Amino acid sequence: SQTIHQWPATLVQPVGSPLSLECTVEGTSNPNLYWYRQAAGRGLQLLFYSVGIGQISSEVPQNLSASRPQDRQFILSSKKLLLSDSGFYLCAWSRMTGGNSPLHFGNGTRLTVT
Amino acid sequence: AQSVTQPDIHITVSEGASLELRCNYSYGATPYLFWYVQSPGQGLQLLLKYFSGDTLVQGIKGFEAEFKRSQSSFNLRKPSVHWSDAAEYFCAVVTYNFNKFYFGSGTKLNVKP
Repeated sequence: SQTIHQWPATLVQPVGSPLSLECTVEGTSNPNLYWYRQAAGRGLQLLFYSVGIGQISSEVPQNLSASRPQDRQFILSSKKLLLSDSGFYLCAWSRMTGGNSPLHFGNGTRLTVT
Repeated sequence: AQSVTQPDIHITVSEGASLELRCNYSYGATPYLFWYVQSPGQGLQLLLKYFSGDTLVQGIKGFEAEFKRSQSSFNLRKPSVHWSDAAEYFCAVVTYNFNKFYFGSGTKLNVKP
């Protein structure tokens, strides 16, 4: 069966520090990968998605970037965090082809920028 | 552009009462629709999905949803709510190429004993 791992679960970082959140998927190959952010009291905002290694689509211009160095690895980064980057970050995957594939989510990372 | 609207931010129901959470979508083609549930501090769990066929779909935990094309709606229902159903519920639509999933802003469900 497929599993998705996301870490760390909680992170407190000062303004201006770098960020690296990692997500890996097991049990499937060539998945679509996603990063979402959930701010307090708001819904899910799609940040990035990837349909293959090195292929990243950005949905919202911002202080963050994403990379996919391996088929089942997705990394969210920032060079300098802003207060507004605080939130709950969720990684997710879906099957790339054939339709009828929902999103499967990791357990999320709670990021607090102080 | 695709969008999903959940008009109710908070809903409170008594345990044992019926539940209906509203979802309206905007999408130019045949939509593929989902409902997810999120417990505090957790990721999202898939409740049910609609791709085609029967417009009434059954999901886990006793939930069901009905797709109504004429109303652009995909409302979630449960006949009898349990205290453990208290959570936040999200409706979502995916683009035709299954590359992007768009979510509503969520509905927080409180269950009164």
